[in-house]
Amino acid sequence: KAGVTQTPRYLIKTRGQQVTLSCSPISGHRSVSWYQQTPGQGLQFLFEYFSETQRNKGNFPGRFSGRQFSNSRSEMNVSTLELGDSALYLCASSLDGRTYEQYFGPGTRLTVT
Amino acid sequence: AQKITQTQPGMFVQEKEAVTLDCTYDTSDPSYGLFWYKQPSSGEMIFLIYQGSYDQQNATEGRYSLNFQKARKSANLVISASQLGDSAMYFCAMREVSLSGGGADGLTFGKGTHLIIQP
Repeated sequence: KAGVTQTPRYLIKTRGQQVTLSCSPISGHRSVSWYQQTPGQGLQFLFEYFSETQRNKGNFPGRFSGRQFSNSRSEMNVSTLELGDSALYLCASSLDGRTYEQYFGPGTRLTVT
Repeated sequence: AQKITQTQPGMFVQEKEAVTLDCTYDTSDPSYGLFWYKQPSSGEMIFLIYQGSYDQQNATEGRYSLNFQKARKSANLVISASQLGDSAMYFCAMREVSLSGGGADGLTFGKGTHLIIQP
């Protein structure tokens, strides 16, 4: 069974631009969660999508948004990029978001210059 | 207040020795899950072990065991017979389960412990 895939793996953007990251969960998994990892703040929960609906949301500004498609693939968008958005963005998939198994992808490393 | 506290920023351990990584947590929810993840330098988070708040026995997965002391709100990870490949960042995490039917909250992570296994 294929694992969680994230594209692209690396990205360099300029302040003020916007970016879209993609996550394909494990086949059959309907819940996708996104996390941001930075040296200063550590790992922080962004949001979770289940059956195309945002079910939970962390404490991030509205510049961070996401969506989920009918095939459970999810995208995360960050608008008006700031230097502080430079981070490793990880997505995790699980069957339904209620069970404990959450499997992480390799992450997308975003650098904002 | 921090919900997950890992007090050991870094640890050096000799190969083949047992390792205990500390984790304390804070929650008022009766239903929660505790997790340990390993993150090698490649960045991917690897699930190691899970303990539910209602589980009566400590969780074990191969060389990993979780020393769960509910009254002390402690969930230490024990790695037996450490190997060079165990060198990585280790994160303790918690998820509080919503009783309103909205699913579980996102994982709350500790700051991590950088474990280095020496030959």
